[in-house]
Amino acid sequence: GAVVSQHPSWVICKSGTSVKIECRSLDFQATTMFWYRQFPKQSLMLMATSNEGSKATYEQGVEKDKFLINHASLTLSTLTVTSAHPEDSSFYICSAHSSSSYEQYFGPGTRLTVT
Amino acid sequence: GQQVMQIPQYQHVQEGEDFTTYCNSSTTLSNIQWYKQRPGGHPVFLIQLVKSGEVKKQKRLTFQFGEAKKNSSLHITATQTTDVGTYFCAVQDSNYQLIWGAGTKLIIKP
Repeated sequence: GAVVSQHPSWVICKSGTSVKIECRSLDFQATTMFWYRQFPKQSLMLMATSNEGSKATYEQGVEKDKFLINHASLTLSTLTVTSAHPEDSSFYICSAHSSSSYEQYFGPGTRLTVT
Repeated sequence: GQQVMQIPQYQHVQEGEDFTTYCNSSTTLSNIQWYKQRPGGHPVFLIQLVKSGEVKKQKRLTFQFGEAKKNSSLHITATQTTDVGTYFCAVQDSNYQLIWGAGTKLIIKP
């Protein structure tokens, strides 16, 4: 099946700093990428949808100035958590969708800890 | 918008016992997908159902889509330790966004 990579797999940062997470589709072109966050023992919460070359669409309650999403190419999307705070600590997962399939392919996730 | 309710939240079983998780919606669903997430891992796609009354099997896993397309179930026969994880149902909308159920965590009793 299709492979999606995510980097880094885990990161610890200090409060007030910014963290960039990369999501790459390795063997297919992703017309749409989705960013989720997941708190312990909870389901995935969609943060935003990004289409290549256009601005991301954010879900209600997600601050677009805090969670910057860039989808510069058909194989790469980035999520930057700006001025991170401890409450931003979570598991961030991306998924990628290709127009040739209904399936979404998930990255392995990034565990962010803000101290 | 569409919502899916998934129960139970947890299910404790002895190894070898069966496991079932259910998803329900008040509206007719165009499709239902099932995912498995191992502890510390990411969701892995298992299957998609689209037809009324559809039943699909993958080894010990049986997936059903209700006749009215408002409910779905995942049944695992004779659970094994490798089945441990959280099973999610999700509905894909016209923008390919997934609307997730809350998940059912399968726990094997020691």
